[in-house]
Amino acid sequence: GQQLNQSPQSMFIQEGEDVSMNCTSSSIFNTWLWYKQDPGEGPVLLIALYKAGELTSNGRLTAQFGITRKDSFLNISASIPSDVGIYFCAGQIQGAQKLVFGQGTRLTINP
Amino acid sequence: NAGVTQTPKFRVLKTGQSMTLLCAQDMNHEYMYWYRQDPGMGLRLIHYSVGEGTTAKGEVPDGYNVSRLKKQNFLLGLESAAPSQTSVYFCASTPSETGLNTEAFFGQGTRLTVV
Repeated sequence: GQQLNQSPQSMFIQEGEDVSMNCTSSSIFNTWLWYKQDPGEGPVLLIALYKAGELTSNGRLTAQFGITRKDSFLNISASIPSDVGIYFCAGQIQGAQKLVFGQGTRLTINP
Repeated sequence: NAGVTQTPKFRVLKTGQSMTLLCAQDMNHEYMYWYRQDPGMGLRLIHYSVGEGTTAKGEVPDGYNVSRLKKQNFLLGLESAAPSQTSVYFCASTPSETGLNTEAFFGQGTRLTVV
């Protein structure tokens, strides 16, 4: 079954707004990854997090590995049209060599 | 820079037909994976391989078989396709230095419809 809860499932925002999405679980994770998927393409890795509390930025994107190791968030600042797509969180559960994915957040931007 | 290449990109099958999806990576990665993506479900792992000649079951392996005869190729087979296997299939690979099931590089996907 699904072990990651990603929210929100969809977002409709205006260009220039900031975006925030998160993933939570009852399991402890060793790794958190954030991917973006463009229409008709495979997911592309945006940010990888390996330590509890770690805060990492990649341009306008910032992600954090929650201190409890059970959650992570992704923020996008000053959104632009090319940010449109589906964002997935993924995590490697402690003790299980398995990567589980969230359900995805579909981001739509109105110009 | 090919990365991970999947063929075919689209396919329509009749129930009961068989087919093989091919994944090729040119990055010398040890680990390879097959996922399926369904609306509202994220990506679910079907099978994976930790090296040439090895395969293992993932989260949803039933109805699929895989083979990794060469390090660069990972094949996904459907012996008798069912409508429930209509999905978008993604192949991925990771280098050994990042570990199993970590920073995966994905192919562009194969959209399969079973009628």
